[in-house]
Amino acid sequence: DGGITQSPKYLFRKEGQNVTLSCEQNLNHDAMYWYRQDPGQGLRLIYYSQIVNDFQKGDIAEGYSVSREKKESFPLTVTSAQKNPTAFYLCASLRLRQGTLQNTGELFFGEGSRLTVL
Amino acid sequence: AQTVTQSQPEMSVQEAETVTLSCTYDTSESDYYLFWYKQPPSRQMILVIRQEAYKQQNATENRFSVNFQKAAKSFSLKISDSQLGDAAMYFCAYRSWVGATNKLIFGTGTLLAVQP
Repeated sequence: DGGITQSPKYLFRKEGQNVTLSCEQNLNHDAMYWYRQDPGQGLRLIYYSQIVNDFQKGDIAEGYSVSREKKESFPLTVTSAQKNPTAFYLCASLRLRQGTLQNTGELFFGEGSRLTVL
Repeated sequence: AQTVTQSQPEMSVQEAETVTLSCTYDTSESDYYLFWYKQPPSRQMILVIRQEAYKQQNATENRFSVNFQKAAKSFSLKISDSQLGDAAMYFCAYRSWVGATNKLIFGTGTLLAVQP
């Protein structure tokens, strides 16, 4: 079955450490997204990528980094510069119309990763 | 910039009853998508229903329907015959129809409890 796989599901980190959250999709979707979820704040966009080797900052990119070397993969690194990294992180993907960057359909989400800084 | 507002942090409904969740949004665009997503305790985001702004007819998916008022920029979700499995966090979301960003903008969510 096609879908989005996020790992690990739970992650603990000591202050000052960088951690990388994995997101892999086999839906052949062009665009991928990282959202952060905090209680009472909904989902906020961290980074997104619409094509391989290209990505854009979202609303809260500071302290995070990403790469998009393959269409299927969009890992998120939470760096030590992120001041409050404890949160639930959701990865999503979207199929774009072939040959364009126009919208089509809804976002598909992974099951999320819960990061806790000790 | 577009914004999405959900003014009801929590709602409660009796099983088999009907409940309406509110959502308003702000945009200067004329063409866009609107969505309702459900997030159960498992945290998996599930699409409930979607509406294209150019369509005047309100979207319906089984027990779920929307009241889309474009002029008022309102997009409420009605759940009929509520079931225990409907208990979840519900998010309203907006996305532009055109443009290269394809970003989904979320409201802060409404936590729905279903009482047996």
